Amino acid sequence: SQTIHQWPATLVQPVGSPLSLECTVEGTSNPNLYWYRQAAGRGLQLLFYSVGIGQISSEVPQNLSASRPQDRQFILSSKKLLLSDSGFYLCAWTRGERTGELFFGEGSRLTVL
Amino acid sequence: GENVEQHPSTLSVQEGDSAVIKCTYSDSASNYFPWYKQELGKGPQLIIDIRSNVGEKKDQRIAVTLNKTAKHFSLHITETQPEDSAVYFCAASNDKIIFGKGTRLHILP
Repeated sequence: SQTIHQWPATLVQPVGSPLSLECTVEGTSNPNLYWYRQAAGRGLQLLFYSVGIGQISSEVPQNLSASRPQDRQFILSSKKLLLSDSGFYLCAWTRGERTGELFFGEGSRLTVL
Repeated sequence: GENVEQHPSTLSVQEGDSAVIKCTYSDSASNYFPWYKQELGKGPQLIIDIRSNVGEKKDQRIAVTLNKTAKHFSLHITETQPEDSAVYFCAASNDKIIFGKGTRLHILP
């Protein structure tokens, strides 16, 4: 069966510090991978998606970047965090089609102080 | 691009009664409409979905209806139970999945 792991679960970081959130998917190959951010009252905002190794599409201009160094690994990064980067970050994957079921990880709660 | 509006933002329902959450979408090309349930501290999980060639779909106590002409779709939960308390998200997709802002459902004892 397929599983998705996301870590760390909770992170408190000072403004200006770097960020790295990691997500891995097991039990499938060549998944489409996604990073969403969930802020209070704003639903689920798509940040990045990837259809293959090294292929990253950005949905919104921001202080964050994403990388996919391996088929089932997706990393969300920042060189210098802003207060506005605080939120609940969710990694997700789908099978080949873009409009299939999204399988979400458990999320990473980031607080920037 | 697609825009999804979801109402209400908060809903309180007596246990055993029905709950209805409504969404509208803007892109007439959208053809896939999933609903996700998110429990506290967890990632959302798909509970039901409908494609544009179908007007209604039911799975036990959960049903979804789709009106393509009006570009709106709804989630219906009957005989609500305490474990139905959660945040529910609708979404619409043609290429990318765009979510509504969510509805926090409280089931009152």
